Amino acid sequence: EAQVTQNPRYLITVTGKKLTVTCSQNMNHEYMSWYRQDPGLGLRQIYYSMNVEVTDKGDVPEGYKVSRKEKRNFPLILESPSPNQTSLYFCASSFGNPNQPQHFGDGTRLSIL
Amino acid sequence: AQKITQTQPGMFVQEKEAVTLDCTYDTSDQSYGLFWYKQPSSGEMIFLIYQGSYDEQNATEGRYSLNFQKARKSANLVISASQLGDSAMYFCAMREGSSGTYKYIFGTGTRLKVLA
Repeated sequence: EAQVTQNPRYLITVTGKKLTVTCSQNMNHEYMSWYRQDPGLGLRQIYYSMNVEVTDKGDVPEGYKVSRKEKRNFPLILESPSPNQTSLYFCASSFGNPNQPQHFGDGTRLSIL
Repeated sequence: AQKITQTQPGMFVQEKEAVTLDCTYDTSDQSYGLFWYKQPSSGEMIFLIYQGSYDEQNATEGRYSLNFQKARKSANLVISASQLGDSAMYFCAMREGSSGTYKYIFGTGTRLKVLA
């Protein structure tokens, strides 16, 4: 089944404790992206990747890191999480053609205490 | 600055009626794409419809159509014959960028409630 898989689905942690949210897709997509969704703000793009070893900042990259060492994986790293990073996070992927829709993972709900 | 505006935080529609969800955008790019996604209460994001900036015809996908007015920079979603299962949050999104790299901007969403 074609899918984007995020883990964990839920996480409660404390300020400053490094965490990684994994994202994997099995559709051989070139483009991958991370978003955060906050009430009243819609989805905001954090980072995106056009292909392996190619990443770029979205609109809200502060406090986040990403890497794209393999085509299928695009982990999101919070080196020192803070409470303002409490949010619902989505990973998405698509083929490189700009008219292709993104496929989204089921989301990861992060709570930073 | 590039921006997507959805001015209707919430809407109601009677079952079997048509409804239009508004979306306006602002970009200086000549090449861009416009997408609509649906997010039911279960949380997943579901792609509905796409319109490219150079497409001359309005996009249609089943009961969904996109009313694209380029000069007005609007890309409204029209849902015909609403069903109870259409109750959800709807997001308009724009893909912008050129030279092989692009990013996405989403609107704040419209929550649609279909009444029986």
